[in-house]
Amino acid sequence: DQQVKQNSPSLSVQEGRISILNCDYTNSMFDYFLWYKKYPAEGPTFLISISSIKDKNEDGRFTVFLNKSAKHLSLHIVPSQPGDSAVYFCAASASGGAAGNKLTFGGGTRVLVKP
Amino acid sequence: NAGVTQTPKFQVLKTGQSMTLQCAQDMNHEYMSWYRQDPGMGLRLIHYSVGAGITDQGEVPNGYNVSRSTTEDFPLRLLSAAPSQTSVYFCASSSRGRGNTIYFGEGSWLTVV
Repeated sequence: DQQVKQNSPSLSVQEGRISILNCDYTNSMFDYFLWYKKYPAEGPTFLISISSIKDKNEDGRFTVFLNKSAKHLSLHIVPSQPGDSAVYFCAASASGGAAGNKLTFGGGTRVLVKP
Repeated sequence: NAGVTQTPKFQVLKTGQSMTLQCAQDMNHEYMSWYRQDPGMGLRLIHYSVGAGITDQGEVPNGYNVSRSTTEDFPLRLLSAAPSQTSVYFCASSSRGRGNTIYFGEGSWLTVV
């Protein structure tokens, strides 16, 4: 049973418009959430994160929103650029022990930004 | 900057063969881990280590062994390869503490026939 789910396997958006990626989780012990971006034949690279004590975190064009009661988070990319075309993974971790390096990932959403 | 280096990048194994995927990091990170990526499954944690001499199992550890004799290296051993182990393997490292960036290697593509 997947504890982190990304229900949209793909997303197509026009350049300059907003991309919204969604992620749901079931484990209430998760208290730290991350988004990773992955290009083909490369490893995932960190994009943005949010702690459960916040409901929003912003970094340039990227904003992550967390709704703890719904166990839902989303990533907004505004404006979308062709270089944003990649697979995006949502990940979560729980506090305690070596939690910093124990991530549970969603299945990924492939984003295509059309010029 | 080397970061996290994985070797080999591509490998084809026959069922029953053993092999080791190498992982090295030059950032003096305490935490290292191995993930596998399968289509639609995201990345799943195989084994992780919080420091030299300390390892523990992740979500999918069966069929894999690890050891951590130095801070820099964290090899992953496949004891007797099976077709179900065909996957892309990623090594990751980070410094101690929540919120520190986790760096991933470029991946090792393994096919077991």
